[in-house]
Amino acid sequence: EPEVTQTPSHQVTQMGQEVILRCVPISNHLYFYWYRQILGQKVEFLVSFYNNEISEKSEIFDDQFSVERPDGSNFTLKIRSTKLEDSAMYFCASRGTDPQYFGPGTRLTVT
Amino acid sequence: AQRVTQPEKLLSVFKGAPVELKCNYSYSGSPELFWYVQYSRQRLQLLLRHISRESIKGFTADLNKGETSFHLKKPFAQEEDSAMYYCALKTGGSNYKLTFGKGTLLTVNP
Repeated sequence: EPEVTQTPSHQVTQMGQEVILRCVPISNHLYFYWYRQILGQKVEFLVSFYNNEISEKSEIFDDQFSVERPDGSNFTLKIRSTKLEDSAMYFCASRGTDPQYFGPGTRLTVT
Repeated sequence: AQRVTQPEKLLSVFKGAPVELKCNYSYSGSPELFWYVQYSRQRLQLLLRHISRESIKGFTADLNKGETSFHLKKPFAQEEDSAMYYCALKTGGSNYKLTFGKGTLLTVNP
């Protein structure tokens, strides 16, 4: 069964550095998402993406965040200048119709 | 605003005992709810959704609009059911997003 994949599984970065988290959605899916989960808290929606543009973004998704689908397979989340509070598990999800299928997550640690 | 509440952070039962994981929601539209499960060190996986009214791994959940609840139940818990369970509400139109509860960690003891 096809799965959403994410790389890297764990990323450690210094405050102020840029990071790019990568996702390969399931191949025939058209809707893409990023969620994050700060340790001990709930999974929170960040952004949805369809037809090569952002459909919706949460208040968390400020100007430091951007998403891109640079080719037919990858879907990336970029954080331009990381802060300590960006430390979290970041999940990518994709779907055709229903439901959303999640990747295994990237644990981002900002020091 | 939409909200999903899972009142129990931790739930511990013995093998063979019934289990109920509570989920309440707040949403002005027509609700569509899901249960996702996350086994240790694995990804979030869909367990079931209310529109399909199915039973997966012995779990069932019924949407109660009067009580705004979508509790997950299983009559006889198994050790392999130990996992984190998240209730999620679908919000938005065709390009919907999921609003999650905080999750309940279920431990089934031998």
